Amino acid sequence: AQSVTQPDIHITVSEGASLELRCNYSYGATPYLFWYVQSPGQGLQLLLKYFSGDTLVQGIKGFEAEFKRSQSSFNLRKPSVHWSDAAEYFCAVGAPEYGNKLVFGAGTILRVKS
Amino acid sequence: DGGITQSPKYLFRKEGQNVTLSCEQNLNHDAMYWYRQDPGQGLRLIYYSQIVNDFQKGDIAEGYSVSREKKESFPLTVTSAQKNPTAFYLCASRVQEANEKLFFGSGTQLSVL
Repeated sequence: AQSVTQPDIHITVSEGASLELRCNYSYGATPYLFWYVQSPGQGLQLLLKYFSGDTLVQGIKGFEAEFKRSQSSFNLRKPSVHWSDAAEYFCAVGAPEYGNKLVFGAGTILRVKS
Repeated sequence: DGGITQSPKYLFRKEGQNVTLSCEQNLNHDAMYWYRQDPGQGLRLIYYSQIVNDFQKGDIAEGYSVSREKKESFPLTVTSAQKNPTAFYLCASRVQEANEKLFFGSGTQLSVL
């Protein structure tokens, strides 16, 4: 079965600094990979997804993620963090042979300090 | 507007009581899901349904039940057998393809009195 690990429970960065949130998955082939953000009052929103093609994926709000098969990783990055990026971020994994199940990581809470 | 509606926003359960959380979508999605969110544990899948009148257990189905009598509706019942029901419950839906995104409702916070 697929699984997802987000090793950082909390991350604090200064406004304007770069950000990288880590995500590692366990799955034999190439899964479908997603990053969601949960902001207070806005629910869960899809940032970006990868299922084939270019391994560097661009998303909304200036985020990007890179799929690295050799490391089984799909880390989320942003070159310059804004205070409004403070939220909880979830990595998720799906696969065709697992039907419509989507497995989520435990989440990383991002705090932005001014 | 198309979307997913969860109700109520807050729900309180007494000892030994069953409670039902509502989830309705008007997106014409075939697949619907219930997740439970606890701090530090991400979202864990309770039940999901890919088609009307059919549903499957997720990773933490014990103490929960669902029905899918209509495409638009996927209510979740938290039974008295669920000993630790306090959590934030999220309903989601999407089209069938596994590489498509989930659309989420705004959630229901369930607490035990």
